[in-house]
Amino acid sequence: GAGVSQSPRYKVAKRGQDVALRCDPISGHVSLFWYQQALGQGPEFLTYFQNEAQLDKSGLPSDRFFAERPEGSVSTLKIQRTQQEDSAVYLCASSLDDRGLNTEAFFGQGTRLTVV
Amino acid sequence: LAKTTQPISMDSYEGQEVNITCSHNNIATNDYITWYQQFPSQGPRFIIQGYKTKVTNEVASLFIPADRKSSTLSLPRVSLSDTAVYYCLVGDLLGGFKTIFGAGTRLFVKA
Repeated sequence: GAGVSQSPRYKVAKRGQDVALRCDPISGHVSLFWYQQALGQGPEFLTYFQNEAQLDKSGLPSDRFFAERPEGSVSTLKIQRTQQEDSAVYLCASSLDDRGLNTEAFFGQGTRLTVV
Repeated sequence: LAKTTQPISMDSYEGQEVNITCSHNNIATNDYITWYQQFPSQGPRFIIQGYKTKVTNEVASLFIPADRKSSTLSLPRVSLSDTAVYYCLVGDLLGGFKTIFGAGTRLFVKA
């Protein structure tokens, strides 16, 4: 596709439910990032992939958060046993090489997760 | 990782030039300065990047003084559609995956 695609755009989950958020990066992009953005705040780093390798997951807030990119393209962010504090917009970004956001990274529109 | 400080918000009128300054006193030798723009309900969009002096592209200019402890994003002749949040990021190209966003600057452009 022409850009980074995220699905679903909106997700409402009951507390305790598991959710899976999908990111389709731009074809051929090496780097993929997940960010969490609370209302009125800047995006906060969650995790980073270089191809299929998860090089950094230090931003994942708890062991309920899990991300994968098994074939080096599509990535899934999974949140188990969702809590209200997980409500946020989850952003995915990709870039052509391994220089991260210090090159032209492309963001998707995000998935707005609301936990009720 | 270098921390950045930006004004929380700025107001402007259509047709004016807007300058947003970012402070990054602890910038490291290998760090680059990158600016992103974010509209409501959208992901951030890359605007411009620089290392020193001046960089210009079709949408903005980036001014970086010799000491590199600050940078200024300049938007010429803003329009209503430039109303957005602007983020200044500082990071090493090799460690860019963990670049930190601050709270950004909310720019309001009025008619």
